[in-house]
Amino acid sequence: SQQGEEDPQALSIQEGENATMNCSYKTSINNLQWYRQNSGRGLVHLILIRSNEREKHSGRLRVTLDTSKKSSSLLITASRAADTASYFCATRRGSYQLTFGKGTKLSVIP
Amino acid sequence: ETGVTQSPTHLIKTRGQQVTLRCSSQSGHNTVSWYQQALGQGPQFIFQYYREEENGRGNFPPRFSGLQFPNYSSELNVNALELDDSALYLCASSLDSLEQYFGPGTRLTVT
Repeated sequence: SQQGEEDPQALSIQEGENATMNCSYKTSINNLQWYRQNSGRGLVHLILIRSNEREKHSGRLRVTLDTSKKSSSLLITASRAADTASYFCATRRGSYQLTFGKGTKLSVIP
Repeated sequence: ETGVTQSPTHLIKTRGQQVTLRCSSQSGHNTVSWYQQALGQGPQFIFQYYREEENGRGNFPPRFSGLQFPNYSSELNVNALELDDSALYLCASSLDSLEQYFGPGTRLTVT
């Protein structure tokens, strides 16, 4: 079953704009991770935020986590055409299983 | 590039057949997880192997089975293929179940 649910399902923006994607989950977690997937290929790990962290930055990526609302957001600033991909949040609860949402499909128009 | 490789890239099988997918872990990693991703969906956890033993399984029937070898490479076997088994199969390797590194996937089509 899907743990996380991303919102929106699809997002289309102009190059240079910021893109914000949201993720909600249902149970307590150890950490939450964001992945990118290009054209149905392998997943690329973007960033991990632990349950005791509220915000994390990596380059043009900013992730927030609100455990009281069981939600996270991923902000991509100054988007580029190469950012076009599907983005997934994944939660880890136990020692092994990652549970993914259905993803947000981002299109960045040059 | 994560260093995780999968073979084959694409595969077409007929309903009822059996299939074996292979995954080579990143050097130094002792844990392999397998995921099934249907079109338009997120990956679903199938199972995980740690040092050649299955140590976690998702909601998949027993006809999905696996192996991990002493060099930590892995196989996913699916028996009695069904049309709904058509999906992208992803493996991910990690060291002691920490951050997972995904391979490019195997696209399986069942006709």
